[in-house]
Amino acid sequence: SQTIHQWPATLVQPVGSPLSLECTVEGTSNPNLYWYRQAAGRGLQLLFYSVGIGQISSEVPQNLSASRPQDRQFILSSKKLLLSDSGFYLCAWSALGRSGANVLTFGAGSRLTVL
Amino acid sequence: ILNVEQSPQSLHVQEGDSTNFTCSFPSSNFYALHWYRWETAKSPEALFVMTLNGDEKKKGRISATLNTKEGYSYLYIKGSQPEDSATYLCAFYNAGNMLTFGGGTRLMVKP
Repeated sequence: SQTIHQWPATLVQPVGSPLSLECTVEGTSNPNLYWYRQAAGRGLQLLFYSVGIGQISSEVPQNLSASRPQDRQFILSSKKLLLSDSGFYLCAWSALGRSGANVLTFGAGSRLTVL
Repeated sequence: ILNVEQSPQSLHVQEGDSTNFTCSFPSSNFYALHWYRWETAKSPEALFVMTLNGDEKKKGRISATLNTKEGYSYLYIKGSQPEDSATYLCAFYNAGNMLTFGGGTRLMVKP
């Protein structure tokens, strides 16, 4: 069966420090991978998605970046965090395809607090 | 920017009450509508994916309907239980886009 791992679960970082959140998927090949963020009081906002190794699409301009160095690994990074980067970050995967009928399976999430 | 609206934002009901909430989305270029349930301290989990106008899906006491022509979906919970307390998210998928989520409806069921 497929599983998705996301870490760290919680993170408190000072403004200006770097960030690295990691997500790995097991039990599937060629997944679509996603990074979402839930800011306080708001819904889920898509940050990045990837349909293959090295293929990253950004939905929202910001100081975050994403990379997919391996088929089942997705990394969210920042060189210098801003206060506004605080929030709850979710990694997700879905089966390959763009029909829209493939459900998302989410990781456990990472709560980032930037002070 | 796609506008996916959910109402109400939050809802308090008594155990045993039936309830429903709404997701509205653009009616053009529709591909799919997803519903997810997000319990506190857990990950969102998929409830339903609906792709056809008039679709009705059911899982236990929870059901959902879809009207793609007018751009809305209803989620119904029959006989709410405290374990139904969660945030319910809908997400819309249209041609050329990824899933766009609504802000969610937070349901609290009092025993």
